[in-house]
Amino acid sequence: RKEVEQDPGPFNVPEGATVAFNCTYSNSASQSFFWYRQDCRKEPKLLMSVYSSGNEDGRFTAQLNRASQYISLLIRDSKLSDSATYLCVVPDLRAGGTSYGKLTFGQGTILTVHP
Amino acid sequence: DTEVTQTPKHLVMGMTNKKSLKCEQHMGHRAMYWYKQKAKKPPELMFVYSYEKLSINESVPSRFSPECPNSSLLNLHLHALQPEDSALYLCASSQVPGTEAFFGQGTRLTVV
Repeated sequence: RKEVEQDPGPFNVPEGATVAFNCTYSNSASQSFFWYRQDCRKEPKLLMSVYSSGNEDGRFTAQLNRASQYISLLIRDSKLSDSATYLCVVPDLRAGGTSYGKLTFGQGTILTVHP
Repeated sequence: DTEVTQTPKHLVMGMTNKKSLKCEQHMGHRAMYWYKQKAKKPPELMFVYSYEKLSINESVPSRFSPECPNSSLLNLHLHALQPEDSALYLCASSQVPGTEAFFGQGTRLTVV
């Protein structure tokens, strides 16, 4: 099993649609999770952090299912500007549960929102 | 918008050149990173500098060498690169290792 695995996509949805991405992770000890968005030829930008069961910010909702080891990202009322690659990110942990800083990225899911 | 500043934004260099990429963060973060990203791939970690210690991804060749002059600066020295080293080089910082990382705009490097 890959450390972090995402829906391959691409997702192609009309404006106004609701779209959901899933991400699975292999380390059951992981405590924190992040969603980033990356536009073409730009840097990744933090979209949302998840430290407990979930998080919500406007049209974006992230949910964590520890038993099944997956995190989802739900985008409601999609906008054209939501078109981007969405990266699921999990910090690596040393034995003992501390992090030395490495973030493991999923392969990314491409979302295209069309008029 | 980003509080992680990278220079230059673009760099073209020959295989015999020596160049440096610069990164500065103004958020008082204790950890800084260099990532390499090839097209259509996720970023890959090269180096972590945190709590005055450097951690290296052992797969990174020695033609890349990081330097941390102080806690807000992390430079990447480049020497005798190969064309396959052409990529987007991203600097990032986080408050402490393992928390949210904030990325600079990147340096797009082309080795000719």
